[in-house]
Amino acid sequence: DQQVKQNSPSLSVQEGRISILNCDYTNSMFDYFLWYKKYPAEGPTFLISISSIKDKNEDGRFTVFLNKSAKHLSLHIVPSQPGDSAVYFCAASEGYKLSFGAGTTVTVRA
Amino acid sequence: DTAVSQTPKYLVTQMGNDKSIKCEQNLGHDTMYWYKQDSKKFLKIMFSYNNKELIINETVPNRFSPKSPDKAHLNLHINSLELGDSAVYFCASSHNRAFGSGNTIYFGEGSWLTVV
Repeated sequence: DQQVKQNSPSLSVQEGRISILNCDYTNSMFDYFLWYKKYPAEGPTFLISISSIKDKNEDGRFTVFLNKSAKHLSLHIVPSQPGDSAVYFCAASEGYKLSFGAGTTVTVRA
Repeated sequence: DTAVSQTPKYLVTQMGNDKSIKCEQNLGHDTMYWYKQDSKKFLKIMFSYNNKELIINETVPNRFSPKSPDKAHLNLHINSLELGDSAVYFCASSHNRAFGSGNTIYFGEGSWLTVV
C-alpha cells in the first residue's frame, strides 16, 4: 500500500532545459515533504523540502511545488545539468515516519 | 569522515546464516533508522531508534533485530537469512524524530546483501 507514488520511472531531458518530476500521495495527514537525490552505489542525499503550509519552496536551481488539494507535488530543476543525472525520491512525513516513492531516474543529455 | 557509515558495503551469504550490519553516525543526532530498498526500489522504513529507544518497528520478521548500544550506533542483526532478504539496507540518522523545520534524514551508503 504505497502512499507516495512517483508514476514516471524515468525522465530524459536535454542539458539546459527544465526537468519536472512529479509525485502524488494519498495520505492527507502528511505534513512535510522532501526530495532526495541518489547516485549509484551511494545513499540518498537531501535536496529540498516543503512544509504543508506552503505551496512553493525554492533553492537555487531547484523548486518544489505543493498542491495539497490535488495531493501532488513536483520538483523543477532549471537549468538541468549533467550532474543532475540521478534517481530522485519523493518522501512525505507523518509523525515520526518518512514514506518514500519508488524514485524517478533522470538522465540529462548533452 | 563519513557522517553515517555502515559496514559491510557488500555481503554475500548463504541461506540460513546469521549476519550483522553495523552503523555509526558522527553527527550527534538523536534518531537513527534502518531502511530497506527492495527489488522494486522502494525505500521502506524498518526500524527507528530515538536516544536508544525503539520508536518505529514496522512489520518486519522477528529474524531482524536492531541493537542500539548508544545513540551513535544502530546495528542490524539478521537470523536465518532467506533469499527474500536480498536487498540494499540503508542506515540513516536525523537530528531528532520530528520532521519539519529543516530536520531531515542523512543516509549511509547502503549495504548490499545477497543471499544465495
